[in-house]
Amino acid sequence: DTEVTQTPKHLVMGMTNKKSLKCEQHMGHRAMYWYKQKAKKPPELMFVYSYEKLSINESVPSRFSPECPNSSLLNLHLHALQPEDSALYLCASSQGRVENEQFFGPGTRLTVL
Amino acid sequence: GENVEQHPSTLSVQEGDSAVIKCTYSDSASNYFPWYKQELGKGPQLIIDIRSNVGEKKDQRIAVTLNKTAKHFSLHITETQPEDSAVYFCACFTTGHGYGNKLVFGAGTILRVKS
Repeated sequence: DTEVTQTPKHLVMGMTNKKSLKCEQHMGHRAMYWYKQKAKKPPELMFVYSYEKLSINESVPSRFSPECPNSSLLNLHLHALQPEDSALYLCASSQGRVENEQFFGPGTRLTVL
Repeated sequence: GENVEQHPSTLSVQEGDSAVIKCTYSDSASNYFPWYKQELGKGPQLIIDIRSNVGEKKDQRIAVTLNKTAKHFSLHITETQPEDSAVYFCACFTTGHGYGNKLVFGAGTILRVKS
């Protein structure tokens, strides 16, 4: 199994809602990532988990809360989002933390009303 | 921090022609350079990568060249086909953090292959 899966594919939420994005990989990778991608822009790193510990937080607002329950799963909890948070949220994984190729999932298209 | 510039922003070629996309980077310590292809509605897919101890790498119709002295690297696609149409991102690996690798992406190139 060489893929990263993400659910849901699409999500529409109001500014007062609480929702979660999910990511899963079964490649035995020990580093997992959340990226945000706006239309016609490159992915922007949000968080990095290495060996299930948060190792990088790119000054992301607290309305985004990541969680890594185990080495295969990565969640992104969303609360009180703003319309400008609408974007494609990408999950990726890599074997380790150094110079290894990152495999991306298909993303969750998030719309905040 | 690392800064990656990518050119051109859009590229239109005729089917069968070659396409070249160029990137320059600022951090001389960068040593891993992947290229990603992103089709509409999909996540980025790694198509080729190169490490700093290698000057060129080829995989069928795709090749990447790296000039560490000049701090630039390029993607070459030969015999382009309509299915090559996509957005292409270059990236550099930077060690600006203690744990986890960090990719810094170029702005992207929209490649259109006309049949």
